[in-house]
Amino acid sequence: QSALTQPASVSGSPGQSITISCTGTSSDVGGYIYVSWYQQHPGKAPKLMIYDVSNRPSGVSNRFSGSKSGNTASLTISGLQAEDEADYYCSSYTSSNTLVFGGGTKLTVL
Amino acid sequence: QVQLVESGGGVVQPGRSLRLSCAASGFTFSSYGMHWVRQAPGKGLEWVAVIWYDGSHKYYTDSVKGRSTISRDNSKNTLYLQMNSLRAEDTAVYYCARDLSQGYSYAFDYWGQGTLVTVSS
Repeated sequence: QSALTQPASVSGSPGQSITISCTGTSSDVGGYIYVSWYQQHPGKAPKLMIYDVSNRPSGVSNRFSGSKSGNTASLTISGLQAEDEADYYCSSYTSSNTLVFGGGTKLTVL
Repeated sequence: QVQLVESGGGVVQPGRSLRLSCAASGFTFSSYGMHWVRQAPGKGLEWVAVIWYDGSHKYYTDSVKGRSTISRDNSKNTLYLQMNSLRAEDTAVYYCARDLSQGYSYAFDYWGQGTLVTVSS
């Protein structure tokens, strides 16, 4: 159950778009639609931003979008805002009926 | 509104046991799968275990398999995690989280505030 691979950090200026990648294998990301993304601000519980690769829960801004190609999923945030600065984690269901998270990406809004 | 409140954390010596609880309210607890997720200080998220809505299926991450048991009491709207033979590497904030579905979605739409478990002599 190795962690999914995410970049340690990304940054962007307000109004710009950024993309965070999440790479796994055919036994997790590549094999299922059950890929999710979470936002976590310091000292807070994570918040679900995307589920089933590209679905947004009610209340999540449409500036957040998800996609997948092969063994790599991606989270794109458009129109960056200061409040988007946080840690982002991807997760995927696995062939072992378990779940694996990515190592997390720290987003800095410059 | 949906609320998940964890309890039972604290400081425990290596090799000892601890039982975490998660009290749920604001939704039909018996209709949703539930998970435990942990986060070591300054580290990333780690999924721990899942239990389906009716308790019929339970799955664990390898590092706790054989040492931990997830369970639920739908009559009390409460989720549990029994952890035995605790190790220093089990030190983390433990979150309970609600599955989007009966247990097979593996996406978590509500989280508790977390309870800190510190394993130290």
